[in-house]
Amino acid sequence: GENVEQHPSTLSVQEGDSAVIKCTYSDSASNYFPWYKQELGKRPQLIIDIRSNVGEKKDQRIAVTLNKTAKHFSLHITETQPEDSAVYFCAAPNGGNDYKLSFGAGTTVTVRA
Amino acid sequence: EAQVTQNPRYLITVTGKKLTVTCSQNMNHEYMSWYRQDPGLGLRQIYYSMNVEVTDKGDVPEGYKVSRKEKRNFPLILESPSPNQTSLYFCASSWGGSYGYTFGSGTRLTVV
Repeated sequence: GENVEQHPSTLSVQEGDSAVIKCTYSDSASNYFPWYKQELGKRPQLIIDIRSNVGEKKDQRIAVTLNKTAKHFSLHITETQPEDSAVYFCAAPNGGNDYKLSFGAGTTVTVRA
Repeated sequence: EAQVTQNPRYLITVTGKKLTVTCSQNMNHEYMSWYRQDPGLGLRQIYYSMNVEVTDKGDVPEGYKVSRKEKRNFPLILESPSPNQTSLYFCASSWGGSYGYTFGSGTRLTVV
């Protein structure tokens, strides 16, 4: 099955700085890469996703980049704010099976005021 | 309001006592799935269902059962819970496969 590795496991940034989280995946057939944000005590929520036919996607202060050759994708958060403090999860489908989604172990992001 | 509803939110039970965690969605989604969340391990898929009466195993199905008799409901059954099933459980649904999950609020289960 798909093996998704996520780094770093914790990330502390000064408010206003950028945060970058990187994930690698093992199955070259994977073609969809979502990112979920989970605030403390809440459910995970989809914040952005990218499909394999594009290399980058932006939505306001967040962006995701994909390098299919190297089999990694990254989440970029610019101008971080206190409300960005949360656990972020990357995910990838198990190869050609779009019904099986494997998640990374998560990155706890803390934005210091 | 579009939502995925799980019950109960919290449950403490004893080893071997059968329990069911319910999940219901009101979005007419065909796809539903169960995950467990453990510190340092992220979210691991237990079972998923592509439609009514169609289910399949995820990565950690041992000790769990599911059923999908109606489109809106996807209960998770633990026939004989053990302490290693103590975890935070999430149900999710989507319009198609892995694309754009909506998660429930979670069920924190403790097995003693």
